[in-house]
Amino acid sequence: EAGVAQSPRYKIIEKRQSVAFWCNPISGHATLYWYQQILGQGPKLLIQFQNNGVVDDSQLPKDRFSAERLKGVDSTLKIQPAKLEDSAVYLCASSLSPGTSSYEQYFGPGTRLTVT
Amino acid sequence: KNQVEQSPQSLIILEGKNCTLQCNYTVSPFSNLRWYKQDTGRGPVSLTIMTFSENTKSNGRYTATLDADTKQSSLHITASQLSDSASYICVVSGGTFGRGTSLIVHP
Repeated sequence: EAGVAQSPRYKIIEKRQSVAFWCNPISGHATLYWYQQILGQGPKLLIQFQNNGVVDDSQLPKDRFSAERLKGVDSTLKIQPAKLEDSAVYLCASSLSPGTSSYEQYFGPGTRLTVT
Repeated sequence: KNQVEQSPQSLIILEGKNCTLQCNYTVSPFSNLRWYKQDTGRGPVSLTIMTFSENTKSNGRYTATLDADTKQSSLHITASQLSDSASYICVVSGGTFGRGTSLIVHP
């Protein structure tokens, strides 16, 4: 079974530029998550989708971050404009169930973003 | 406020030795506790999951314990290997993450 795919793996941009990350979840997984992981910290949930609807985006900085999941499969996360504090690894995860916490989340390898 | 505290923040041990990582939580409602292993440059991978009624769960050389009364969990690694070098993250009720413990195993 193919895992969660993310691209790009690495991205370096200057502050105030925009950037987009792509995620392809495991086939058949209804729930998709985007996390931000700052160096030395645990992942912080940015947004959770169930199929193509948003379940939780309470911690998403909506003035600069946006995400979509068209057709309930692939997802993109965008930052515009980027700030220095956005430097982090952005992890995408998916799970089989519609958001039930007992189901395992499968994580992609992440995109390491550096904002200079 | 829901919180998960992990200790120690980092740990260095020699290959073949045992070690124990701690996770204390104040999360409500509690449904389960999961330990993840995150290798450098990779996403986290689940090691174990325990619900309220379970107090121990093993996965090879990894053994997790849960005391739901004191809201504490531990992850014990037996006969450590170089490949155990990673960050270990405790997650409660699927959504509250700890900061992780960074484990380095030296030969």
